[in-house]
Amino acid sequence: DTAVSQTPKYLVTQMGNDKSIKCEQNLGHDTMYWYKQDSKKFLKIMFSYNNKELIINETVPNRFSPKSPDKAHLNLHINSLELGDSAVYFCASSLLAKNIQYFGAGTRLSVL
Amino acid sequence: GEDVEQSLFLSVREGDSSVINCTYTDSSSTYLYWYKQEPGAGLQLLTYIFSNMDMKQDQRLTVLLNKKDKHLSLRIADTQTGDSAIYFCAETLSGTDKLIFGTGTRLQVFP
Repeated sequence: DTAVSQTPKYLVTQMGNDKSIKCEQNLGHDTMYWYKQDSKKFLKIMFSYNNKELIINETVPNRFSPKSPDKAHLNLHINSLELGDSAVYFCASSLLAKNIQYFGAGTRLSVL
Repeated sequence: GEDVEQSLFLSVREGDSSVINCTYTDSSSTYLYWYKQEPGAGLQLLTYIFSNMDMKQDQRLTVLLNKKDKHLSLRIADTQTGDSAIYFCAETLSGTDKLIFGTGTRLQVFP
């Protein structure tokens, strides 16, 4: 009955590979987000989608491509992984009208 | 700018009160939030306050908001070892649903 779930929890991969992280929410929210947390614990928004439409796209390399097949899912695909992509990636969701965001448990990505 | 400031560390004795402070930037923020992150875990929404309120109390948690100084604080009464975590304040940039997080305050509770 997890509200916002991400898979995988851990991802270890080589530089240059392509990988995806999946996120699903069962809260009936209309907006979903991806955040990145670096090694200093600093959290920054990357993307947000409302009803499958992209509404926030921060200055993120275009190697990162979010995909929202429906309102309950927002996946993050990363091409040509680099060492600097190593971080914890958090998915979140909210109702846009209220903007109380609930977060998943995070995916720890390590690029070797 | 978009910098939401917090002190980095706070150490308290079990049973004492903890006060975590935050200075935010956007005076038009509708909501202000406190999140808790335990080691290796995700972000847990602790509480939030609407910008037209000065104070909100929820069990051991008290949030104070000073809009004039753009200052937000979180007081934890009777702090327990299970409260040891990183606490993030966050604001919403007006006109967006973008959450801007503070730098986080690492709370350590010792017996």
